[in-house]
Amino acid sequence: AQTVTQSQPEMSVQEAETVTLSCTYDTSESDYYLFWYKQPPSRQMILVIRQEAYKQQNATENRFSVNFQKAAKSFSLKISDSQLGDAAMYFCALTTGANSKLTFGKGITLSVRP
Amino acid sequence: GAVVSQHPSWVICKSGTSVKIECRSLDFQATTMFWYRQFPKQSLMLMATSNEGSKATYEQGVEKDKFLINHASLTLSTLTVTSAHPEDSSFYICSARDSGDFYNEQFFGPGTRLTVL
Repeated sequence: AQTVTQSQPEMSVQEAETVTLSCTYDTSESDYYLFWYKQPPSRQMILVIRQEAYKQQNATENRFSVNFQKAAKSFSLKISDSQLGDAAMYFCALTTGANSKLTFGKGITLSVRP
Repeated sequence: GAVVSQHPSWVICKSGTSVKIECRSLDFQATTMFWYRQFPKQSLMLMATSNEGSKATYEQGVEKDKFLINHASLTLSTLTVTSAHPEDSSFYICSARDSGDFYNEQFFGPGTRLTVL
């Protein structure tokens, strides 16, 4: 069985500042993929960033980057230069190559203060 | 990018009736689709995995006779909530996995809000 843990239910960040969202996971598989999804008030799930476990280099997508610590099974998301539109619920998720089911964390609600 | 549609986006029905929700992959083939249920401020709960041409695989605790899933083509999966009751009211989300996608990424539909009166 695989698990994803997001222990912070809520976070707040000042506009233009940087915030880091934490995620830890557990899996016995060696081949897996990690994702961060954003769910704004519209409730449409949007892929923010993904990381292949076999890649040591941390993924980046514009203002979004991850800190992937494979040995520690940690996958945190850093949002730089936070914008009002970043306010949403963020989910960390894990899938293995075996069955392709996504295992989600409980999510974290991020608010951005103007 | 890959697009997944859901129809309807919202539905209100009377208790005891059945409701069908469609999930379509618009620009790719999806041998596997997933159905989730989400309560407000909570995470997505996987209900079942829908495989084209075969029976769906349901997660533990999900009533297969209540939530009928049909994946008749590579672009369409349907979820039918049979004899709906108020406790079935929820937000239902489907996702589809591109058969040729290297990253095992799932593409999500916009969701369907079901309200049972």
